[in-house]
Amino acid sequence: AQSVTQLDSHVSVSEGTPVLLRCNYSSSYSPSLFWYVQHPNKGLQLLLKYTSAATLVKGINGFEAEFKKSETSFHLTKPSAHMSDAAEYFCVVSTGGFKTIFGAGTRLFVKA
Amino acid sequence: DSGVTQTPKHLITATGQRVTLRCSPRSGDLSVYWYQQSLDQGLQFLIQYYNGEERAKGNILERFSAQQFPDLHSELNLSSLELGDSALYFCASSSSGTERTDTQYFGPGTRLTVL
Repeated sequence: AQSVTQLDSHVSVSEGTPVLLRCNYSSSYSPSLFWYVQHPNKGLQLLLKYTSAATLVKGINGFEAEFKKSETSFHLTKPSAHMSDAAEYFCVVSTGGFKTIFGAGTRLFVKA
Repeated sequence: DSGVTQTPKHLITATGQRVTLRCSPRSGDLSVYWYQQSLDQGLQFLIQYYNGEERAKGNILERFSAQQFPDLHSELNLSSLELGDSALYFCASSSSGTERTDTQYFGPGTRLTVL
């Protein structure tokens, strides 16, 4: 069985400060892990994905995530938040075979 | 632009009615997924089709049905609509849907309002 838990439903940061969005997963098999971003009233857009190559994955807009097998985590980070980063972020785990699970989402607020 | 198209963008209808939402996947993608997103339920997976066949089912109500046609476009049919069906409905597509490395590409969504 597989599952994904986004540890924070809301995160608030000030512009220019680091962003950390936390995601833990559970999987019986080697998973692929994804982060998607959704801006208000828009579709989900892929930020980055891990597929068992390098454990540190770089994505679009300065985001990156590190796969840590020992901690079963795939946290999303960005060194400096921008107002345009305000959105909802989804962590996703997939083991193939029509088994893909979306997390509940974390809403990121960025204060000026 | 993800390459996934959905029509219509907005739909306003009354309770008890039936509507059809349409999705065209990215060129070459064989899998289509449907999701419902509402404020109280969040993003909910409804159903997945792969090359015309149903392959995975999520929290889809019996009043809802979907199909994927030979040209790979998909339709989601919602009937006996209730106020609670008001939501954003997303379609996504992926190249196969069987590989763990597959990326789902999302359309812009259809906003359904039931009055």
